[in-house]
Amino acid sequence: GENVEQHPSTLSVQEGDSAVIKCTYSDSASNYFPWYKQELGKGPQLIIDIRSNVGEKKDQRIAVTLNKTAKHFSLHITETQPEDSAVYFCAARGFGNEKLTFGTGTRLTIIP
Amino acid sequence: GAVVSQHPSRVICKSGTSVKIECRSLDFQATTMFWYRQFPKQSLMLMATSNEGSKATYEQGVEKDKFLINHASLTLSTLTVTSAHPEDSSFYICSAVQGARETQYFGPGTRLLVL
Repeated sequence: GENVEQHPSTLSVQEGDSAVIKCTYSDSASNYFPWYKQELGKGPQLIIDIRSNVGEKKDQRIAVTLNKTAKHFSLHITETQPEDSAVYFCAARGFGNEKLTFGTGTRLTIIP
Repeated sequence: GAVVSQHPSRVICKSGTSVKIECRSLDFQATTMFWYRQFPKQSLMLMATSNEGSKATYEQGVEKDKFLINHASLTLSTLTVTSAHPEDSSFYICSAVQGARETQYFGPGTRLLVL
C-alpha cells in the first residue's frame, strides 16, 4: 500500500518568513495530494490540493509543488502569520482508491 | 467549501457504556464517509469506510463489533463505540466525499473520554 513520509516533524519560523514542508510517497499510481491544517482540538481543514496532471498550484500565500518523477510534493507558506501556527498534514490518494494516506504531520510554530 | 458536522463535540462516559457519534454532511450528499481516530500528537488513523446503504469496510485491526457504523442516508453516518473502555478514549473524526475521487471534507471531531 501507499506510504507517505513527512518532514520536518516540527518547524519554527519567524513571522514574515517562509515555511516549507515536504512529503514523499511510495505509490507511483497516486494522483491526488491534499494538504490539511489542523488547529488544536479541531478537525483537519483542507487548505490546498494538487492533482498529478499539474506541477504547481498557488492560492494567495500558499503553494504546493509536485514532482512525480521523484514522488515528492511540498507545501510552501509565504509571509507567515501567527495564525498559521498549527499542525499540517499531507496526504496521497491512488487512482481508483477512495482512501487517503496521511503523513505524520508537521507542527508549525510562527514566532512573533 | 462543503460543511461536515459532528455531534457531540465531546462526551464523557463510564466504562462499559455505549456512545454514539453522529456525522452529517450539511450541504451535500455524501456517497462515502470515513471514520478516523487520532491520539494526541499523532496522525489520523483510518478506522473504516462507510458507503450509504451498505456495510462499512473496516481497516485491519479495527473491531467491527466494537465500532458499529451505520450509514443510513446520504447525509448521515453514525459510529457507536460499544462497551467503551478507557483505552477507547480518543479524538474521533469523520469525513465525507461527494462522488468518486472528490475532495474529502472533515468534521470538527468528537473527543471521547471513558472513565
